[in-house]
Amino acid sequence: AQSVSQHNHHVILSEAASLELGCNYSYGGTVNLFWYVQYPGQHLQLLLKYFSGDPLVKGIKGFEAEFIKSKFSFNLRKPSVQWSDTAEYFCAVNAPTSGTYKYIFGTGTRLKVLA
Amino acid sequence: DTGVSQNPRHKITKRGQNVTFRCDPISEHNRLYWYRQTLGQGPEFLTYFQNEAQLEKSRLLSDRFSAERPKGSFSTLEIQRTEQGDSAMYLCASSLAGQGVVDEAFFGQGTRLTVV
Repeated sequence: AQSVSQHNHHVILSEAASLELGCNYSYGGTVNLFWYVQYPGQHLQLLLKYFSGDPLVKGIKGFEAEFIKSKFSFNLRKPSVQWSDTAEYFCAVNAPTSGTYKYIFGTGTRLKVLA
Repeated sequence: DTGVSQNPRHKITKRGQNVTFRCDPISEHNRLYWYRQTLGQGPEFLTYFQNEAQLEKSRLLSDRFSAERPKGSFSTLEIQRTEQGDSAMYLCASSLAGQGVVDEAFFGQGTRLTVV
């Protein structure tokens, strides 16, 4: 069965610090990968997605993620965080070749950026 | 607003009562998903539809839970004989995709259920 692991549950950074959030998945076939963000009191929104091609994908608000197939990883990065990046971040995988179109989410990383 | 709409936003019910939630997806989206989210956890898959067909239901889902999507448009999620452990945020999402194709899911604001 597919699963997603996010090892950083809580991260606290100062503004302008660099961010990297880890995401690992467990499925050996073709995957589609997503990072979603949930700002306080708001619904889940897509940050970026990877389907194929260039393994370095750029998303909104200066976020990017790198797909490393050999490591089953899809880590999220941002060179310089802002206070407004305070939110919860979720990695998700969808693997249609596994016979299902469901999205499997990690447990999330709660990011707090100090002004 | 043309996003995913969920009603009600909040529901407080007594243990043992039945509750029903509604989700209106983005109009042209053919896939509709239900998830449950509790504090400190990621969204947990419950079930999904492609058009009106319910294609998968989580094995963890009690038979007290049932979902429908008549005519492939809006969907309802019913929980019978609610228990305190059912207290959670129930999320609906929709996507537009074809056979073997996946795209991003768009989420609604959720329905927060509190069972007292």
